[in-house]
Amino acid sequence: GAVVSQHPSRVICKSGTSVKIECRSLDFQATTMFWYRQFPKKSLMLMATSNEGSKATYEQGVEKDKFLINHASLTLSTLTVTSAHPEDSSFYICSASGPTGGPNEQYFGPGTRLTVT
Amino acid sequence: AQKVTQAQTEISVVEKEDVTLDCVYETRDTTYYLFWYKQPPSGELVFLIRRNSFDEQNEISGRYSWNFQKSTSSFNFTITASQVVDSAVYFCALIAMDSSYKLIFGSGTRLLVRP
Repeated sequence: GAVVSQHPSRVICKSGTSVKIECRSLDFQATTMFWYRQFPKKSLMLMATSNEGSKATYEQGVEKDKFLINHASLTLSTLTVTSAHPEDSSFYICSASGPTGGPNEQYFGPGTRLTVT
Repeated sequence: AQKVTQAQTEISVVEKEDVTLDCVYETRDTTYYLFWYKQPPSGELVFLIRRNSFDEQNEISGRYSWNFQKSTSSFNFTITASQVVDSAVYFCALIAMDSSYKLIFGSGTRLLVRP
C-alpha cells in the first residue's frame, strides 16, 4: 500500500516551453502533497507544500509563478514548470502524506528528471 | 531552526565490511521524527526507518541497525557485512512536529561498496 507515482519519469523540453509533472497517490487519499527538487549530487530541497483544494505554500526563494502547483483532487497534484530554462533542469520528487495525514508519514514518488535544452 | 548534518560525503568499503553512516541533527522541538532513506542510482527514495524522539531504543533490521542517542543528537546507521547492492546515497532527515512540519534532509552520504 501507499504507492505514489509520478509522470513522466523523464522529460526533455526546449527552453521557453512549459512542462507539467503529475504526482498521484494510487491507493490512498493524500490531503497533503510535497514537491522537492534535487540538483545533481545534492540533497532534496522542499519547494512547496500542496493541500487539496487550497493554494500551495511555497518555500522561501521558490517562484510561485514559475512553479505552478495544483492539487485538484485527493489523489493528484501537478507541478508545472513555466517558461523553462536550462537552470530548471533538475530531479523533481513529490511525496504524499499517508492515510494518517501527518507530514511525518510521507510516501515518495519515483521522481521526474527534467532536462531543458 | 532545524538542521541535519551528514559529515561524510563519500565512503568506500570493500564488500563484507561493516560501515557506519553518521547523522547529527539540531532542533529545539521536543517532538520530532528522524528518518533514513536510501537513494540508489535510479533516483527513487527508499524509506528505511522512522524513529520518534520519545523512542531511543536502537533498532535492528537484518543487516541494518540504527543507534539513536538524544544526548549527542545523533542517529547513526550501520550496515553490517556490506554488499555491492548497498551502494547508494543515504539521506538522514528530520521533521520537527512542534514547529515547521517540514522534512529537512541532510546532504547525504554516498556509499560505494566494492566487490
